[in-house]
Amino acid sequence: DTAVSQTPKYLVTQMGNDKSIKCEQNLGHDTMYWYKQDSKKFLKIMFSYNNKELIINETVPNRFSPKSPDKAHLNLHINSLELGDSAVYFCASSQLEKKGTQYFGPGTRLLVL
Amino acid sequence: KNEVEQSPQNLTAQEGEFITINCSYSVGISALHWLQQHPGGGIVSLFMLSSGKKKHGRLIATINIQEKHSSLHITASHPRDSAVYICAVPQGGSEKLVFGKGTKLTVNP
Repeated sequence: DTAVSQTPKYLVTQMGNDKSIKCEQNLGHDTMYWYKQDSKKFLKIMFSYNNKELIINETVPNRFSPKSPDKAHLNLHINSLELGDSAVYFCASSQLEKKGTQYFGPGTRLLVL
Repeated sequence: KNEVEQSPQNLTAQEGEFITINCSYSVGISALHWLQQHPGGGIVSLFMLSSGKKKHGRLIATINIQEKHSSLHITASHPRDSAVYICAVPQGGSEKLVFGKGTKLTVNP
């Protein structure tokens, strides 16, 4: 069973389009994260939700909007895609109270043309 | 802001060699994470440690809180250990992780 899953795995789209990436975890964790890994392979946090509430919101363009319908899901919607949005986006989850290990999804490779 | 430095940036070894990857950070922390990113891109959490040493198979992680330094060791390295190893620490008292730039390990047969 996959612990943290993301869809789609690959996303190729044109500049200006709007797209969504979905994340689901079946670990019963209360906290979920979105990370961006750029072309230099550097990981950086974008957002974190705890029990469906936003707790970390880094300096990210407001074209990026996370949505957490429930504890097990954290989706990322991106409006008006730009070339610089091309990256790998990783979802992760953890149990916040226990300051536990973060479990990562397989990543979504986004290419904006 | 916590700064995370990893060394070396790249490491090439022969199968069987003992590997050490280092991580230093600038601000005191509650715990440090070691992650492994496979050539295919997937990320796996290897260790989370707040003191002393942890061992999992051929992997050993140590941390010295006073010196703000951690090491990841791989004994009897194998080509399948080839990956990028990333150190991460929390920013301030939050769960926000700050990542090192990673160490790319290549183990040749």
